[in-house]
Amino acid sequence: DQQVKQNSPSLSVQEGRISILNCDYTNSMFDYFLWYKKYPAEGPTFLISISSIKDKNEDGRFTVFLNKSAKHLSLHIVPSQPGDSAVYFCAASNNNNDMRFGAGTRLTVKP
Amino acid sequence: NAGVTQTPKFRILKIGQSMTLQCTQDMNHNYMYWYRQDPGMGLKLIYYSVGAGITDKGEVPNGYNVSRSTTEDFPLRLELAAPSQTSVYFCASSPDRGGYGYTFGSGTRLTVV
Repeated sequence: DQQVKQNSPSLSVQEGRISILNCDYTNSMFDYFLWYKKYPAEGPTFLISISSIKDKNEDGRFTVFLNKSAKHLSLHIVPSQPGDSAVYFCAASNNNNDMRFGAGTRLTVKP
Repeated sequence: NAGVTQTPKFRILKIGQSMTLQCTQDMNHNYMYWYRQDPGMGLKLIYYSVGAGITDKGEVPNGYNVSRSTTEDFPLRLELAAPSQTSVYFCASSPDRGGYGYTFGSGTRLTVV
């Protein structure tokens, strides 16, 4: 059962523009949502998280939005930079030890 | 500042062989995890540990075993390797559960032939 879904395998944007990565989930018991970034031959790196009691969290160029009624979250990167090119994983947890991950979206930022 | 260290980085096993994937963290994190990532899929939890001496199964534990004798080390044992265990394995740690982001190692790419 895939409780966390990233339906876009890839996304390409121009440098300086906004990147929007989307994620849907099915388990309404999730209370934390996280985004990770992964470069080739490296492990995922934690980027930003949001609690289910919030609808927005911002950290520099990265903002995560949560829409609980739609069971949807998104990561906005503004402005996008070539160094942001990586695979982005959405993850969700219900305060236990079983964090569920989406399949990832490969972001390419073109100069 | 090593973080989470995994060894080896690559390994080829023959069907039926066994091996241990090593994982060490130097951040004094209580929580440690083993995930596997298959091509085009998200990470799936194999086993986790909430502290030394305590381990529990995740989503896909069959064919694997773990132990946690110290806070720092969390080795993953594969007995009787099968082609279905061909994957990239990631070890991770966190100071607590919930919204804490995990610190991941760089992974072990395992091929079973």
